[in-house]
Amino acid sequence: GNSVTQMEGPVTLSEEAFLTINCTYTATGYPSLFWYVQYPGEGLQLLLKATKADDKGSNKGFEATYRKETTSFHLEKGSVQVSDSAVYFCALLYLQGAQKLVFGQGTRLTINP
Amino acid sequence: DVKVTQSSRYLVKRTGEKVFLECVQDMDHENMFWYRQDPGLGLRLIYFSYDVKMKEKGDIPEGYSVSREKKERFSLILESASTNQTSMYLCASSSTSVPEQYFGPGTRLTVT
Repeated sequence: GNSVTQMEGPVTLSEEAFLTINCTYTATGYPSLFWYVQYPGEGLQLLLKATKADDKGSNKGFEATYRKETTSFHLEKGSVQVSDSAVYFCALLYLQGAQKLVFGQGTRLTINP
Repeated sequence: DVKVTQSSRYLVKRTGEKVFLECVQDMDHENMFWYRQDPGLGLRLIYFSYDVKMKEKGDIPEGYSVSREKKERFSLILESASTNQTSMYLCASSSTSVPEQYFGPGTRLTVT
């Protein structure tokens, strides 16, 4: 089956710290991979994506590389800001009828000034 | 920009009531989805629809039904609300050609 496992949260960091949120997946075939972000009181927004092995997705200073050999898609940012405080979801896309997403459990990130 | 709207941000209902959650998208997307979001469980797919009047069960359809009479609108129905359906409900849409899903702001439903 298809599944996504994310690093347990919550994660608390100081401003300008380096961030890594781990994500590993199990899937048949080669799914597309996504990171979504949910700011307080809002729905999910697409943060970045990668559609094939070794692709690097990037947006707003965040990066993630699709690693087929380790079935991973870890999210990184070199210097976090208070405004990055949110819940982050890793997801993979698979085809069953429509193209559907399966999500990890989410990681709550809090950045302190 | 794609816009997905949901009829209510917050809703409080009593046990046994019939509840309707409405979702509208303005980008002519073929696919629409209903998820529920619970702490520690991430998002779980309730139902999805890939065309008007077409629907398929997701991972947790029990206690829910859906309706898609028009392409832009997808409704989630709780036939007889129960306290274990207290949750955040998120609607999403996507096109078949570009499968990224776009989400609405969510409806936080409390069943008392």
